[in-house]
Amino acid sequence: AQSVTQLDSQVPVFEEAPVELRCNYSSSVSVYLFWYVQYPNQGLQLLLKYLSGSTLVESINGFEAEFNKSQTSFHLRKPSVHISDTAEYFCAVSDTGNQFYFGTGTSLTVIP
Amino acid sequence: GAVVSQHPSRVICKSGTSVKIECRSLDFQATTMFWYRQFPKKSLMLMATSNEGSKATYEQGVEKDKFLINHASLTLSTLTVTSAHPEDSSFYICSAREDRGYGYTFGSGTRLTVV
Repeated sequence: AQSVTQLDSQVPVFEEAPVELRCNYSSSVSVYLFWYVQYPNQGLQLLLKYLSGSTLVESINGFEAEFNKSQTSFHLRKPSVHISDTAEYFCAVSDTGNQFYFGTGTSLTVIP
Repeated sequence: GAVVSQHPSRVICKSGTSVKIECRSLDFQATTMFWYRQFPKKSLMLMATSNEGSKATYEQGVEKDKFLINHASLTLSTLTVTSAHPEDSSFYICSAREDRGYGYTFGSGTRLTVV
């Protein structure tokens, strides 16, 4: 079975500062990795995903994540955050593609 | 891109009544859909996997008779919360897997409040 650990439940950061949201997973097989963002009272939106190929994946709004197989990590980073990035971020892992295992989420709060 | 429509977005019902939540894939066929429940400050908990034309597969601890799932077509799955109680109040989210290619799309969620 797979599991996902997001060690940081809350991350406050000042506007225009860099941020890293950590995600570690455990799995004995190859996995697909995802980051989702959730704004208040809304569903989940896919931010980025790693399926294969380059271990560094990027989103259109400046986020990036790097798949590190040896460390079983998929940390999310952004060099300069905006107020609009304030949201809940979920890391997820899937093996066969039939089921997702979500982390407990990290609440990112950008401070003006 | 793929869009999943979930309706209603918010619903308030009296204790003891039933509530139906719809999940539609608008521009793709989805043989498989998933229903999640999200508690405040918690991650998403998979409730069940909905398969078109067959019975849903429920996760351990989820009451099948309370959370009825129907997936009658390739674009529609419904979740009915029967005899709802205040403890059923939660945020319910569906997702659909595209039959062609790899992809999962989530609905916008339904906030259920049972009073």
